[in-house]
Amino acid sequence: AQRVTQPEKLLSVFKGAPVELKCNYSYSGSPELFWYVQYSRQRLQLLLRHISRESIKGFTADLNKGETSFHLKKPFAQEEDSAMYYCALSGHSGGSNYKLTFGKGTLLTVNP
Amino acid sequence: NAGVTQTPKFQVLKTGQSMTLQCAQDMNHNSMYWYRQDPGMGLRLIYYSASEGTTDKGEVPNGYNVSRLNKREFSLRLESAAPSQTSVYFCASSADQTGRPNYGYTFGSGTRLTVV
Repeated sequence: AQRVTQPEKLLSVFKGAPVELKCNYSYSGSPELFWYVQYSRQRLQLLLRHISRESIKGFTADLNKGETSFHLKKPFAQEEDSAMYYCALSGHSGGSNYKLTFGKGTLLTVNP
Repeated sequence: NAGVTQTPKFQVLKTGQSMTLQCAQDMNHNSMYWYRQDPGMGLRLIYYSASEGTTDKGEVPNGYNVSRLNKREFSLRLESAAPSQTSVYFCASSADQTGRPNYGYTFGSGTRLTVV
């Protein structure tokens, strides 16, 4: 079975402070991990893919297979970063089809 | 460049009524998905279709049916709506026929459904 855990439902920081959104996963195979962002009442948008090792909007995330984690980080938070963030894992639990399993999300609020 | 289009955007149903949520994508994607989003629960997969002509159950399929009408369209039907189905429903698609989201999924803007 594949599982994604985001331990923090809510995270509040001040503008300019560092931010880290935690994500842990459980999966027996080689995982593919993603971060999605949802701004207020909008559709989900892909933020990062671990395989691309990119930085988007100042956010980075490193896959740590030893700790089974894929934490999202940004050194200096901005007010426009306030949103719901979902960590997601792609895997196939039996069968041949991949599915994207989401964590429960972390609501980030960046205060002025 | 519409991507994934969902209709309607909002709907209020009475308990026991039926309705169909529509989803269409114009990216020639093979796989399509229906998720529901509930506070504190994240997104949960209801049904998916890896390719035209195939559908499979996800994590929370009870009370729903789906139809992959053609490659573009994937509809979700509530035969007898219940208050527990009050939720925001998202449709998504991905290019790979196995569903492997190499470039992530593309999501629609959602349907906010209230069952009273």
